[in-house]
Amino acid sequence: NAGVTQTPKFRVLKTGQSMTLLCAQDMNHEYMYWYRQDPGMGLRLIHYSVGEGTTAKGEVPDGYNVSRLKKQNFLLGLESAAPSQTSVYFCASSDNTGGQGPQYFGPGTRLTVL
Amino acid sequence: AQSVTQLGSHVSVSEGALVLLRCNYSSSVPPYLFWYVQYPNQGLQLLLKYTTGATLVKGINGFEAEFKKSETSFHLTKPSAHMSDAAEYFCAVRANTNAGKSTFGDGTTLTVKP
Repeated sequence: NAGVTQTPKFRVLKTGQSMTLLCAQDMNHEYMYWYRQDPGMGLRLIHYSVGEGTTAKGEVPDGYNVSRLKKQNFLLGLESAAPSQTSVYFCASSDNTGGQGPQYFGPGTRLTVL
Repeated sequence: AQSVTQLGSHVSVSEGALVLLRCNYSSSVPPYLFWYVQYPNQGLQLLLKYTTGATLVKGINGFEAEFKKSETSFHLTKPSAHMSDAAEYFCAVRANTNAGKSTFGDGTTLTVKP
């Protein structure tokens, strides 16, 4: 049982390049989330999904797109990377017990945009 | 709407001393409250949670927290700090009407001095 995994762990991009971050969970969770973490700002929600085939915007969605084609996977895309997107990205998942269940986090992806 | 305020971005204690990390929340509906811990270069891990029932909840590693509705607080405590407790701690609030989305505080970094 691997929990939540993220690939890649590290990435350096040049401004304007694109990339996709992959999140996978093996807990059969309905809900999945993408956050970014910046120093002193906690975690900010980028996008989330409440089930296969669904996505919704979070607090800071601009510049990102997501897809949830399979229940176990949640992809985060950057179409044209900007230095402001330098951050640590965390994926999380949870069950759908009305919010009572905790979120399970992946180990993070450290992204630098030059 | 929901929000979380963690008082003190940095807390330093001596080994063996009491740990007190403060969290205040606001929520328009009865909240679910969580404390997570993040060790360097890792994702967040659940310490403890409050959903319903007993207002004093116990978590892993000797931590506990008390839900005080009248004070809208959910402070985290541990009677005796250990060097291994040094980490960043996040308080989070989640409403059962909000598609499972959590709002996180900005985090408190705990330093334990020998």
